[in-house]
Amino acid sequence: EAGVAQSPRYKIIEKRQSVAFWCNPISGHATLYWYQQILGQGPKLLIQFQNNGVVDDSQLPKDRFSAERLKGVDSTLKIQPAKLEDSAVYLCASSLNPQPVMNTEAFFGQGTRLTVV
Amino acid sequence: GENVEQHPSTLSVQEGDSAVIKCTYSDSASNYFPWYKQELGKRPQLIIDIRSNVGEKKDQRIAVTLNKTAKHFSLHITETQPEDSAVYFCAPVGALTFGSGTRLQVQP
Repeated sequence: EAGVAQSPRYKIIEKRQSVAFWCNPISGHATLYWYQQILGQGPKLLIQFQNNGVVDDSQLPKDRFSAERLKGVDSTLKIQPAKLEDSAVYLCASSLNPQPVMNTEAFFGQGTRLTVV
Repeated sequence: GENVEQHPSTLSVQEGDSAVIKCTYSDSASNYFPWYKQELGKRPQLIIDIRSNVGEKKDQRIAVTLNKTAKHFSLHITETQPEDSAVYFCAPVGALTFGSGTRLQVQP
């Protein structure tokens, strides 16, 4: 089966610019996650979608980050304006479970490495 | 939110030795306990998981043990090989909260 697709793989922007990341989850997966992984740390959940609804966005810096999952399939994560501390790998993952409480394996995309200069 | 602690942060073993990584968590409602492996520059991938109704699960050289009363679960790797070198993350409550990671280095 096809895996989770993310683009772009790499992005370099100047601070205060905007950037968008795209994710296409595994077909049929109801749950989609966006994470920020800073070098040397574990993935930090930014937002969790179930179909096209937001389940948890408590750790999303909403003053500059936004995400959407129109039609319950693809998703985009946007940062505007970017700061130096946003430099990280942004990972998208999807899982099959139809409900948040029925946790199942999360399949990760390759990630987008963002460098803010 | 969930508090997750993972120990040790780094672990160096000789090839053929065993390695054990422990993860403690705070949410007593957690019922799914996976371990992910992340090689340098690559995506995290599930290597083993366990659900709360089971105390131990084994898959060839890797095993996971769960102590729900004490709120911790451990990853056990036996007969380590150089290709086991990676960062390992626990994730109690499924993919919602990850530990800080354990860098395992297997010396040939």
